[in-house]
Amino acid sequence: SYELTQPPSVSVSPGQTARITCSGDALPKQYAYWYQQKPGQAPVLVIYKESERPSGIPERFSGSSSGTTVTLTISGVQAEDEADYYCQSADSSGTHRVFGGGTTLTVL
Amino acid sequence: QVQLVESGGGVVQPGRSLRLSCAASGFTFSSYGMHWVRQAPGKGLEWVAIIWYDGSNKYYADSVKGRFTISRDNSKNTLYLQMNSLRAEDTAVYYCAKHYEQLGFDYWGQGALVTVSS
Repeated sequence: SYELTQPPSVSVSPGQTARITCSGDALPKQYAYWYQQKPGQAPVLVIYKESERPSGIPERFSGSSSGTTVTLTISGVQAEDEADYYCQSADSSGTHRVFGGGTTLTVL
Repeated sequence: QVQLVESGGGVVQPGRSLRLSCAASGFTFSSYGMHWVRQAPGKGLEWVAIIWYDGSNKYYADSVKGRFTISRDNSKNTLYLQMNSLRAEDTAVYYCAKHYEQLGFDYWGQGALVTVSS
């Protein structure tokens, strides 16, 4: 079955830039989405269709794409950004959604 | 404001059945596809199933296909997940989520915990 691959963890100091990657063979053909999840809470959409930001999401969150890899960038990381981040897309048919394994962002 | 409220979770023995419900409000439920997504304790998110806005199409993850059935009642603004032949590996928090912008999810419920154990 189709898989999306993320690094298990990323660590940055406050004010620095965090980049979280997500790789998958179908990403050139299917949009990618990013979710933030804090302990005990439901996920929150932070980026949709690779680079669009929902209303209410801070401008420091951005997304980009290159070939089979999409990247979530958090500029000027704040302590409140510490969370798990999941990429999500679909298989080549577009019928089955898939999540990456998740990346834990630690703010040092 | 959009609200999704799951119910029906609990402890169930392996091989038994359980039905989850998701009550939706704050948007035109009958106009949107809906999903179930689950998260096993300490693990990542796993997509479970989708149902189109009118119930005409349904798709399932391989891990639940043939055992779980997604359905909806647009007159009651409610989404369902019928889970049969439950296994220990089905233990998870189950979220309902609203379809958004082709492939994503913009609103999620608070989740319902399902524990499969003897």
